[in-house]
Amino acid sequence: EPEVTQTPSHQVTQMGQEVILRCVPISNHLYFYWYRQILGQKVEFLVSFYNNEISEKSEIFDDQFSVERPDGSNFTLKIRSTKLEDSAMYFCASSVNRGPYEQYFGPGTRLTVT
Amino acid sequence: GNSVTQMEGPVTLSEEAFLTINCTYTATGYPSLFWYVQYPGEGLQLLLKATKADDKGSNKGFEATYRKETTSFHLEKGSVQVSDSAVYFCALKSITGGYQKVTFGTGTKLQVIP
Repeated sequence: EPEVTQTPSHQVTQMGQEVILRCVPISNHLYFYWYRQILGQKVEFLVSFYNNEISEKSEIFDDQFSVERPDGSNFTLKIRSTKLEDSAMYFCASSVNRGPYEQYFGPGTRLTVT
Repeated sequence: GNSVTQMEGPVTLSEEAFLTINCTYTATGYPSLFWYVQYPGEGLQLLLKATKADDKGSNKGFEATYRKETTSFHLEKGSVQVSDSAVYFCALKSITGGYQKVTFGTGTKLQVIP
């Protein structure tokens, strides 16, 4: 069964450094998402991406964040200058298209900012 | 805006006990409702879903019924196992202008002891 994959599974970085989290959505999916989960807290929506542009973003998704689909398979989340409070589990998800289609989640990348 | 409220954990049960995890929601329109499960160290997995009022979602012995009159989607299982120990998230999916977004509850940790 096709699945969403994410790399790395765990990333440790120093405050102020840039990180790129990578996701490979399911191959025929067109709609992509990033969510984050701060330890012990709920999963929060960050951004959705369709047709090579951001469809919607939350108030969390400020100028420090950016997303990109650099090629036909990868979908990335970049944090330009990490802060301690960016430490969280980041989940990528994809769906076949916009509208009433299931979102499939990846296993997550745990980001630790020291 | 949309919101999901679920009972706080942790919930500790003995094996074969009956499980209920309460979930209520606030949303405009007619959202789809979901339960996701997160096993230790893993990502989010869809457990079950219901897309319209009075639908019952079921999977692996878990059930939840979409109750529009009480805006609830409580998760139940008749006899829990140690392997059910995980964090359970109630979520709703809304679609606005063709774009979908999932809103999660805070999660309820379930611990099943032998």
